[in-house]
Order: sequence, then structure tokens, then C-alpha cells
Amino acid sequence: EAGVVQSPRYKIIEKKQPVAFWCNPISGHNTLYWYRQNLGQGPELLIRYENEEAVDDSQLPKDRFSAERLKGVDSTLKIQPAELGDSAVYLCASSRRDGHVYTQYFGPGTRLTVL
Amino acid sequence: AQTVTQSQPEMSVQEAETVTLSCTYDTSENNYYLFWYKQPPSRQMILVIRQEAYKQQNATENRFSVNFQKAAKSFSLKISDSQLGDTAMYFCAFIYSNSGYALNFGKGTSLLVTP
Repeated sequence: EAGVVQSPRYKIIEKKQPVAFWCNPISGHNTLYWYRQNLGQGPELLIRYENEEAVDDSQLPKDRFSAERLKGVDSTLKIQPAELGDSAVYLCASSRRDGHVYTQYFGPGTRLTVL
Repeated sequence: AQTVTQSQPEMSVQEAETVTLSCTYDTSENNYYLFWYKQPPSRQMILVIRQEAYKQQNATENRFSVNFQKAAKSFSLKISDSQLGDTAMYFCAFIYSNSGYALNFGKGTSLLVTP
């Protein structure tokens, strides 16, 4: 089966500009996650979707970040306006149940550089 | 709150040798799951191995095995017959319950396999 697809792989923008990231999860995976990974750190959750519903967005900076998952498949994460501190890798993951555990599968990520 | 600690920022091993990466975690939950993910320089986060806390038997996947000590809250990863392609960041991660919740990651261990 095809893996999680993300685009773009790299994005360089100037501060105060908008930016958007796109994710296509593995077919049939109902749960989708957006993580942010700062340099030298493990990923941290931004938002989790169950189908088209955002069920955990407590870590999403809502003043500048927004996300949507139309029709419960593809998802878009947007930042407007971007700040220098938003430079990071943005990872998308989707999950399915393997036996008794939900296993998360990650995309290749988008490396964002804000100048 | 659940926390995951990886006390070894960097490790090095020679090809064909065995190396063990350490991970400890803190939780008051009884039903949880532990994972090791590998992140090569290409950034793709790849699942290496997973362990259900209710299972006493340590998980094994080819050259990768874990030493799960529930009472000590320890979850180390052993890589046998190390290969150059094992060079990567290794993240220990924790999730409680068997739902689609977000993973809690450690800060990672950078493993270098040398010829």
C-alpha cells in the first residue's frame, strides 16, 4: 500500500508570509495527526483528526495555525502569518488498528524555514 | 503527564556489533503501548518495533529486540549485527490506552554505525 504523502518537502518563506502543507494519509486510515518537530527534539502533536473531526487541537496555536480535513481524507495545515519560531519539520501521520494497538505511520515531512 | 526519557544523546557502534539504546518512561496508566521509531537523515519516521504493556514477552523484529521492564518503567532497544543502514535517530515513544491518541516521544538518540 502507498504510504503517507506530504507536500511540499521543503518550504522557505519570509516571516509574516502564509504557508500551507498538504497531507494524504494511507487509504482507510481514519485517524490523522499533524506533529511539529523542532531541531534536536522528538515530534510534538499539533492536532489529531478522527475522520473529519478535530478531536485534539489543544496544542495548536490557534491565533496563527489552522487545519482542515475535508471529507475525512486529505488534510491541510496552514500558518498565517509565519514567525521565525515556526521553522521546524511538520510531520503528518495516520493510524490504523493492528490487533490491540493503533500504529502510526508517518510521512516524509515538510521542512519549513522562516527567514 | 506521561514523559519519555532517552538519556543517551549520541551513540556509536561498529558494523556487526550489538548496541543497546535506553529509554525510561513515567506513567500512572496500566494499559499502554511503547514504540521505537527510526528517523534516518531522509526524515521518514519508520516504525522499528512495538510492545504492549500487558504482554510479558519482549517483542522481537529480526535484528531488533526490546528489554521491557514494566516495574522499572524501562524499555531499551537492542540492535544486533548492526548495519550501516541502521545509522539514524532513534525515538522511544509511548501511548496510553488503545485508542488513536498522540504519541509522546523522547528526545531521541543519534546512532552512528561505523565500518
